[in-house]
Amino acid sequence: GNSVTQMEGPVTLSEEAFLTINCTYTATGYPSLFWYVQYPGEGLQLLLKATKADDKGSNKGFEATYRKETTSFHLEKGSVQVSDSAVYFCAVRVNNNNDMRFGAGTRLTVKP
Amino acid sequence: DTAVSQTPKYLVTQMGNDKSIKCEQNLGHDTMYWYKQDSKKFLKIMFSYNNKELIINETVPNRFSPKSPDKAHLNLHINSLELGDSAVYFCASSQDARAAEAFFGQGTRLTVV
Repeated sequence: GNSVTQMEGPVTLSEEAFLTINCTYTATGYPSLFWYVQYPGEGLQLLLKATKADDKGSNKGFEATYRKETTSFHLEKGSVQVSDSAVYFCAVRVNNNNDMRFGAGTRLTVKP
Repeated sequence: DTAVSQTPKYLVTQMGNDKSIKCEQNLGHDTMYWYKQDSKKFLKIMFSYNNKELIINETVPNRFSPKSPDKAHLNLHINSLELGDSAVYFCASSQDARAAEAFFGQGTRLTVV
């Protein structure tokens, strides 16, 4: 079945540091890949997505590239801000299948 | 004009009680979901409905019963609540069973005492 493994947190960084959160997936068919973000006390929001190999999703300074050869979709940001503090979830969904699987979530704390 | 709304936001109840969580989406989507998020933030799918038809039913105790009166609503009823049911429950929707993106509600924090 489909599954996602993402790096365990928590991750603590200083403001303006570089962020990488690793995500690898297992899926049959042609999966779409996502990063969702959950700010404190809120629901999940879509951060970015990529629907085919070599696509790069980007939003709010965050980027992730769909790497089929390594089955990865690592999240990166060049300079994090305090407001980026949240839990980040990697997710996979296979076309023609309405089952979206999430990773365990990685808590990011950015200190001033 | 919230896209996916859940009620209540917080629910505290005693063991053995029966409770319901309601979810409504005004996006015109065909597919709706219930997810459970445990204390470690792990998010696990429970149910998925497409046009009021049950599509996914993960290994969830029979005490949990989803009900979809129409495709804009997917309610979750829980019988004989147990301490281990304490979690945050998220409702979500997507345009259809093939749609890539899901839209989430703000969650219902259920605490069983």
